[in-house]
Formats: sequence, C-alpha cells, structure tokens
Amino acid sequence: GESVGLHLPTLSVQEGDNSIINCAYSNSASDYFIWYKQESGKGPQFIIDIRSNMDKRQGQRVTVLLNKTVKHLSLQIAATQPGDSAVYFCAENTGGFKTIFGAGTRLFVKA
Amino acid sequence: DADVTQTPRNRITKTGKRIMLECSQTKGHDRMYWYRQDPGLGLRLIYYSFDVKDINKGEISDGYSVSRQAQAKFSLSLESAIPNQTALYFCATSDRTGSGANVLTFGAGSRLTVL
Repeated sequence: GESVGLHLPTLSVQEGDNSIINCAYSNSASDYFIWYKQESGKGPQFIIDIRSNMDKRQGQRVTVLLNKTVKHLSLQIAATQPGDSAVYFCAENTGGFKTIFGAGTRLFVKA
Repeated sequence: DADVTQTPRNRITKTGKRIMLECSQTKGHDRMYWYRQDPGLGLRLIYYSFDVKDINKGEISDGYSVSRQAQAKFSLSLESAIPNQTALYFCATSDRTGSGANVLTFGAGSRLTVL
C-alpha cells in the first residue's frame, strides 16, 4: 500500500554542519513531495516542495533531492542552526488534496 | 493573529464525554482538514471539507464527526470519547503553491487526553 517512511527517526548534528534528512516513498504516482518542519508545541510548517518531474530544488539554506529510480527523497539543510531543531516530515501529495505523511525525523542541533 | 486558530489547546476529559474541537481560519481557503498525530505515526487524516456543503471522511473517521459552519470554521466532535482517542489534533487549510503542490497550513494543535 501507499507509505512514506524515513530511514532514521533521530539525527544529531553539530551547529554549522550540514544536515541530511532522508525519506523513502512507495507511490510512484505521487505528483509532489513536500517537506514540513514541526517545532515543539506548534503545527507542521511548509518548508519546500518538489514536483515529481524534477530531481532537485533549492530554497533558502535548504535543498530537496528526488531520486525516482530508488524512490528516495532527501532534505539538505546547510549550516544547521539551533533554530533548525525540530521534527521534519516528508509527505507525498497525490490526487490533488491527498497528502500522505511519513512518521518524521527529529533533528537535534548541538551547540 | 494566527492564520489557523484552534481551541481549546489542551483538554482533559473522561471516557464517554462529548468533546468538540474548534477551528477557524483567516486564510480564505476553501479546503479545510482535521488530522490526528500520534507519536511515530505521522499525521493521519480524519475528515476534510472542500467547501461548506462538502464533507468527506478521511482514513480514520470512525468515532469522529465534523461540521463546516462557514468557510472559515470547521469543528471536530468526539461523540463519546475513548482513551485511544488521546492524541494531538491539528486543523489545517490548504492552497496550491506556485509549482502546483497542495500545501497545508496547520493550526498549533489541540492536545486531547481521554481518561
């Protein structure tokens, strides 16, 4: 069935280093892949999305890579800061409104 | 003010009680959603609405009901709460990005504990 999963439940990085959060997906028919960030006590917040016909998209300090051959998605955060500490969710957007979320990866940034 | 406002933020209740979680939005979006979040399970869709006259079940609608009172208001009810409905509940609206993705804007969440 459809699923969006994550390779690692937690990731710890040193402040200033780059972070890479990985995600595996199973539905090849997804139109978009989206990353959300959830800080403690808040709802998830949109970070960046990538259309299924692309393999890379860059935002401010973030880059999303899509490898459709192996059904893998990653979020790269450059120069990780303490404010980046959060849970990150990858999500598949299928059939317009439908969104399937992964379980999330918690990112810890060490000062 | 927040774009999506949920009340109450925290609620403790007893088994069998009726509970209503309320949501209002100022985004002007037609689409509204209720999600449930449990540790390790991500977010799961309970109900969604594309406009005032449109209500649809999500993947885990059993034990829940909703009401779309206006474009800006979407409430979730638990008619008879049970302990396994203890969770964090999120209301969301959605719109499309420039690239076409359906992106969700979430409220801050309502933490419900059923004893």
